[in-house]
Amino acid sequence: NAGVMQNPRHLVRRRGQEARLRCSPMKGHSHVYWYRQLPEEGLKFMVYLQKENIIDESGMPKERFSAEFPKEGPSILRIQQVVRGDSAAYFCASSLSPAYTGELFFGEGSRLTVL
Amino acid sequence: TQLLEQSPQFLSIQEGENLTVYCNSSSVFSSLQWYRQEPGEGPVLLVTVVTGGEVKKLKRLTFQFGDARKDSSLHITAAQPGDTGLYLCAGTSNTGKLIFGQGTTLQVKP
Repeated sequence: NAGVMQNPRHLVRRRGQEARLRCSPMKGHSHVYWYRQLPEEGLKFMVYLQKENIIDESGMPKERFSAEFPKEGPSILRIQQVVRGDSAAYFCASSLSPAYTGELFFGEGSRLTVL
Repeated sequence: TQLLEQSPQFLSIQEGENLTVYCNSSSVFSSLQWYRQEPGEGPVLLVTVVTGGEVKKLKRLTFQFGDARKDSSLHITAAQPGDTGLYLCAGTSNTGKLIFGQGTTLQVKP
């Protein structure tokens, strides 16, 4: 049973380009969470999705960032017109049930570098 | 806003020493979790504590949840170089999402 798969592992973009980060949750998991991490810091919550629905996006910047979790296929975190401050590691986690009842399993992260 | 404060942020010790990492909040959490993260990888769950006053042991690691469920500690006995990593506490917020402390970077020197 494969774990949470994230790709790409590393992504380099120039300012103004778009970044798309993909996350395939563990088999059977319908709850997906995206977190952002700067070096040697904790994880900052961005968004919580449950198949086709955004449950909580309180950590998402109001502009340029969007997330989706379609009925078929991986969850996508999309960052438009990237700026240097977007450089970070983006982690996806999935769970069988909501976070307050079940364990979150994390992917290995996607490291975005904006030149 | 529920926040988790971890201390210390950085810890560098010699192999064989003991250490304690603290995770504090002014808010009550229904549960607290401890994760360990190694460079270039995602966090991995170590333990979940649910009941106030609960103590859980995982080999040389001892986790405690405060009686009021506002704080937790992680104690490592006889630390080894393999314990080196980023230790994160996380609590389930009142809106159902998991929020993290800023982490404690532990370095154990041989």
